[in-house]
Amino acid sequence: QKEVEQNSGPLSVPEGAIASLNCTYSDRGSQSFFWYRQYSGKSPELIMFIYSNGDKEDGRFTAQLNKASQYVSLLIRDSQPSDSATYLCAVAGNTPLVFGKGTRLSVIA
Amino acid sequence: GAGVSQSPRYKVAKRGQDVALRCDPISGHVSLFWYQQALGQGPEFLTYFQNEAQLDKSGLPSDRFFAERPEGSVSTLKIQRTQQEDSAVYLCASSVNPSRAGTEAFFGQGTRLTVV
Repeated sequence: QKEVEQNSGPLSVPEGAIASLNCTYSDRGSQSFFWYRQYSGKSPELIMFIYSNGDKEDGRFTAQLNKASQYVSLLIRDSQPSDSATYLCAVAGNTPLVFGKGTRLSVIA
Repeated sequence: GAGVSQSPRYKVAKRGQDVALRCDPISGHVSLFWYQQALGQGPEFLTYFQNEAQLDKSGLPSDRFFAERPEGSVSTLKIQRTQQEDSAVYLCASSVNPSRAGTEAFFGQGTRLTVV
């Protein structure tokens, strides 16, 4: 059973702070790593993807991948109340996307 | 179209009824995925198509679930003899990448199925 583990939260951070979301995965054959944001009652929206070890930055978002530790994270700088949502980590390799259960982020104004 | 379109958005079915859920992917997208999302959970993989070929149906929970994509574009997920445990949001996603790895898959708004 290929698993993707996330802390369900809620993770509460004050507005303007850095939010750090973490994810571990079990399948060492995983090749592609994704972060989706899902607002309540809405569908998942792709915000970042990363394929290689290291960091990848896109605006306020930074994805970090460590394949040796089977760990992927998402940092959100200058958090805004509009960032409040559930963040889903997803992993793919020889199988289609496997999702974690998501971490609920609450940014407090 | 501009995005992945699913219909209906909401469906209430009586237990035992058959339902059909439609997905219209982004034009030109080769890969199409169906996921089931229960309340408070992440999406669970159901099945994957590359064009019209169903290459992976390992996630379908029972033989009551059937999916097709006959012309490599629109897909239909059919659930026969619905049960209460089938109540969930059914999400469709498509990707231009032919890999099952789901590179940059984009989701539709989902169909919320409630079985009563």
